[in-house]
Amino acid sequence: DAGVTQSPTHLIKTRGQQVTLRCSPKSGHDTVSWYQQALGQGPQFIFQYYEEEERQRGNFPDRFSGHQFPNYSSELNVNALLLGDSALYLCASSLGAVIQINEQFFGPGTRLTVL
Amino acid sequence: EDQVTQSPEALRLQEGESSSLNCSYTVSGLRGLFWYRQDPGKGPEFLFTLYSAGEEKEKERLKATLTKKESFLHITAPKPEDSATYLCAVQATSGGSYIPTFGRGTSLIVHP
Repeated sequence: DAGVTQSPTHLIKTRGQQVTLRCSPKSGHDTVSWYQQALGQGPQFIFQYYEEEERQRGNFPDRFSGHQFPNYSSELNVNALLLGDSALYLCASSLGAVIQINEQFFGPGTRLTVL
Repeated sequence: EDQVTQSPEALRLQEGESSSLNCSYTVSGLRGLFWYRQDPGKGPEFLFTLYSAGEEKEKERLKATLTKKESFLHITAPKPEDSATYLCAVQATSGGSYIPTFGRGTSLIVHP
């Protein structure tokens, strides 16, 4: 049983560009949450997708958007990249609409570097 | 606004030297406090959930405790494989959003 997978592993972009990160949830899970973890910081909740809709959103600007597909996989899009967007982006999958973080399984993350 | 502060930021121990990590929190109605372990280049791995003051959970060399203002992660006779960053997170009951707030973590290195 594959756990949560994310792609790509690493990514380098320049300021102003746009990026798309991808996540496949653990088998049997239907909910995907995205987190941003800057170096030396804890993860910050970006948003959660359930039934192909954004259900919860943290304190992130509209430059951060997402999508969930019928197979429960998800994409995180970031537009107009800033240097401060450099971070490890974590995807976590779970079951059901309510955020039960003790039942979330995290992927290995995508390391985004913005130059 | 929910806040989580972890201390120390970094901790170096000798193998077998027991110690404790601290997580202080401010939240309007605690739904749960969570401890995670994160290895370099990996996502966090869930360790414990604590729901109310006085509660304790144990797993191998780790023991988590909770009071109304803080939680401790006690590490007894640590081994080098316990080296990792330990994260604390809280969820509040107010507002119904359940958005978690994580601390910055404590980086633990255990020397053989």
